[in-house]
Amino acid sequence: SQKIEQNSEALNIQEGKTATLTCNYTNYSPAYLQWYRQDPGRGPVFLLLIRENEKEKRKERLKVTFDTTLKQSLFHITASQPADSATYLCALSGGSYIPTFGRGTSLIVHP
Amino acid sequence: DGGITQSPKYLFRKEGQNVTLSCEQNLNHDAMYWYRQDPGQGLRLIYYSQIVNDFQKGDIAEGYSVSREKKESFPLTVTSAQKNPTAFYLCASSMEGRHTQYFGPGTRLTVL
Repeated sequence: SQKIEQNSEALNIQEGKTATLTCNYTNYSPAYLQWYRQDPGRGPVFLLLIRENEKEKRKERLKVTFDTTLKQSLFHITASQPADSATYLCALSGGSYIPTFGRGTSLIVHP
Repeated sequence: DGGITQSPKYLFRKEGQNVTLSCEQNLNHDAMYWYRQDPGQGLRLIYYSQIVNDFQKGDIAEGYSVSREKKESFPLTVTSAQKNPTAFYLCASSMEGRHTQYFGPGTRLTVL
């Protein structure tokens, strides 16, 4: 069955450093991969989408890579700030347009 | 302001009662979705609708029902048949042919 793995342990980093979150998947060949941010008690908010034929995508301080050989996506936040503290979800989708979501990784940025 | 609204924000239900969660969007999106989120779990798809008057079961539809009489509205009923309904419920919508979903603020349902 399809499986998406995100680190269940929280990632703790110092302000100003680069945060790197990982999304691994198995038994799946997604055409699209998305990252969402979710704050406690709120709905997820879309951040970035990357296609299978794209290696990297950037938006301001965010960068996403998509390696279909390794079946892995890395999500980077450069110059991290305490306001970046949240849970980050990766989501994979193919032809059906309905994404499958990972459990998310909590990021805590310390001032 | 365009967006998705869900109501109520908090809902308490006694065992054996049916409750209906509201979801409205003014984004003119064709597709709408209901997810359930439990602590430490990913989002699990309950039902989705890609067009008015049509909807499909997701991965965990048992004990839930939906309707899609208007493009803007996709209410979810949690029936007494749902054995463990306490959870955070999220509604989402997307444009036709697009993968990105836009989420509402969620409804937290607690069974007393």
